[in-house]
Amino acid sequence: DIVMTQSPDSLAVSLGERATINCKSSQSVLHSSNNKNYLAWYQQKPGQPPKLFIYWASTRESGVPDRFSGSGSGTDFTLTISSLQAEDVAVYYCQQYYSSPPTFGGGTKVAIK
Amino acid sequence: EVQLLESGGGLVQPGGSLRLSCAAAGFTFNKFAMSWVRQAPGKGLEWVSGISASGSSTSYAESVKGRFTISRDNSKNKLYLQMNSLRAEDTAVYYCAKEPTPFRGNPNWFDPWGQGSLVTVSS
Repeated sequence: DIVMTQSPDSLAVSLGERATINCKSSQSVLHSSNNKNYLAWYQQKPGQPPKLFIYWASTRESGVPDRFSGSGSGTDFTLTISSLQAEDVAVYYCQQYYSSPPTFGGGTKVAIK
Repeated sequence: EVQLLESGGGLVQPGGSLRLSCAAAGFTFNKFAMSWVRQAPGKGLEWVSGISASGSSTSYAESVKGRFTISRDNSKNKLYLQMNSLRAEDTAVYYCAKEPTPFRGNPNWFDPWGQGSLVTVSS
């Protein structure tokens, strides 16, 4: 199985400041046939199910604010919140869908400083 | 609007059985693969099982293989998870989630997710 490792486990950022979450896969999730990274990001708020935010490592789901961006390739990926808002407080998970079984990172909790 | 609503969770003793259901609405159910993903209390996400749009192809996490069975009834727009020989470590919120393709051969992302159904395995 591909192991997904997120860092940090938690971070506190001031409102309006940048938040950066890292995700590392134990093997590359870049498919050579289509040059796509099989990596998704989810946001989960307390008491709610996860919500898809980004797929193909950098494609924002419809309705996701453009302050969220995904980057990276191969084994190293980043989710960036360019200007943290109060409603962004949540746990963020990365997920690989390159090979079965699909696997998730352990999550990164984002809080307001 | 796509809606997924899980039901059937509850408290069960170790070794017992439970069947979860997921009612789908707002999309053509028989055109999309579906999965179950679980989350133990205060923990992360674990994919449990998936099924193709037709129901002909299924896959399972090693942790549940041989104990859990996924199925679907496309005439009723419903997804199921039959859970047997339950263990304490199966305690979790179980989410059903829609996949973006009909296929089960390769993994997908999950969107959207239902609200979840809590399964507690305890004596």
